[in-house]
Amino acid sequence: GENVEQHPSTLSVQEGDSAVIKCTYSDSASNYFPWYKQELGKRPQLIIDIRSNVGEKKDQRIAVTLNKTAKHFSLHITETQPEDSAVYFCAASLSYKLIFGSGTRLLVRP
Amino acid sequence: NAGVTQTPKFRVLKTGQSMTLLCAQDMNHEYMYWYRQDPGMGLRLIHYSVGEGTTAKGEVPDGYNVSRLKKQNFLLGLESAAPSQTSVYFCASSYSRDRGETQYFGPGTRLLVL
Repeated sequence: GENVEQHPSTLSVQEGDSAVIKCTYSDSASNYFPWYKQELGKRPQLIIDIRSNVGEKKDQRIAVTLNKTAKHFSLHITETQPEDSAVYFCAASLSYKLIFGSGTRLLVRP
Repeated sequence: NAGVTQTPKFRVLKTGQSMTLLCAQDMNHEYMYWYRQDPGMGLRLIHYSVGEGTTAKGEVPDGYNVSRLKKQNFLLGLESAAPSQTSVYFCASSYSRDRGETQYFGPGTRLLVL
């Protein structure tokens, strides 16, 4: 079955710097890759997603890139702000089932 | 719209007790899911349903049962709770694949099994 690995597990950046979180997946048939943000004690919320027929997608300060050949996808956050501090999860979907990575705790230092 | 709701928010059980977690959605979604979230392990799929009256096993189904008697509700049951089932449980729902796969999550149920 599908397996998703996510790195790093923790990431600390200075406010205004960029943050990059990387994921790899194992099943080349996976075709949908969402990213979720989870604040402490809250539910996961979708922040951006990408489909396998697209290489890059951007939404303001957030972008996701996908390399299907290498089975890698990454989340890029530019101009980080303290409110970006949270746990971020990547996921890969095959036949509407999401397999999640183990999460990255992002801390943005003011 | 309330979106996805879950009851209860928090529950303490003794080993061997049973309970049912309720998930409800008012978005007319076809698909519904149950996940558990443990520290450092992300979210793992327990069971899912692609429509009323249908259910299927996910990654970690052992010790749980589910039912989807109505389209808007998805129940997760623990017949004989074990300490290993201490976790935060999230329900999610989505449209069918051809209408978009975004999963919307409920607020979670925190379960402690003593």
